[in-house]
Amino acid sequence: GQQLNQSPQSMFIQEGEDVSMNCTSSSIFNTWLWYKQDPGEGPVLLIALYKAGELTSNGRLTAQFGITRKDSFLNISASIPSDVGIYFCAGQLGGSQGNLIFGKGTKLSVKP
Amino acid sequence: ETGVTQTPRHLVMGMTNKKSLKCEQHLGHNAMYWYKQSAKKPLELMFVYSLEERVENNSVPSRFSPECPNSSHLFLHLHTLQPEDSALYLCASSQVLGGRGGYTFGSGTRLTVV
Repeated sequence: GQQLNQSPQSMFIQEGEDVSMNCTSSSIFNTWLWYKQDPGEGPVLLIALYKAGELTSNGRLTAQFGITRKDSFLNISASIPSDVGIYFCAGQLGGSQGNLIFGKGTKLSVKP
Repeated sequence: ETGVTQTPRHLVMGMTNKKSLKCEQHLGHNAMYWYKQSAKKPLELMFVYSLEERVENNSVPSRFSPECPNSSHLFLHLHTLQPEDSALYLCASSQVLGGRGGYTFGSGTRLTVV
C-alpha cells in the first residue's frame, strides 16, 4: 500500500528558530494536507494543498505541494512555545479511493 | 455543539469487558471514519462509512465492531480486547467520501486494556 516517509521524526529547537519538515512518497497524490496534534487532542488541519507547485501560508506556517506530486514540506517561522506538538502530513488520492494516508509525524519541542 | 465529539475521553477496560466508543459530528458531513493511533506508528484507518454504509474495513479484528445508525453518529463496539489494543481511538468526518477538504477529527478516546 501507499506509504509516506515523514522527516525528521523529532526536533528540539530554540524559541525563535525556523523549522522545516517534509514528507515524501513513491505514490502521486492529488492533495497534501498538514495537521497538528496537541497532547490529548485529535489532529487539527493546518494547511491543505490541491495543486502541484502550490505554496500556501497560514500565519507563520508555509507549506508547498511538490512539483512531482510525491512530496510536500511544511515550514514554521519564528517558532514559539505553543508550536509544540506532533505535525502530520497526509496525502490523498482522488475520488472514491480518497482516504487519507498519514505520515508517522514529526514531534516538535520548543525551548523558551 | 460543533465539530466532532467523542465519548468517553478515557476508558480502562478488562479483557473480558464489553464497551462502546461514541462519536458524533455536527458538521453535516456524509462520511465518518475510525482511526487507531498507537505510539510510534502512523494513524491506522480502521473503518470508513459513507451515508451510513460501511465502505471499508481494513482487516480489523472482529473484536472491534462498528455501527453507524445515521450520518451523524458512529460507534465502535469493543469486546474481548487484548492489551495491544490499548491506543488512542480517533473518529473523523469529511463532507463526502474522498472529499478534498480533509478530515475533521475528534479529540479521541484513550483506551487502556488491562
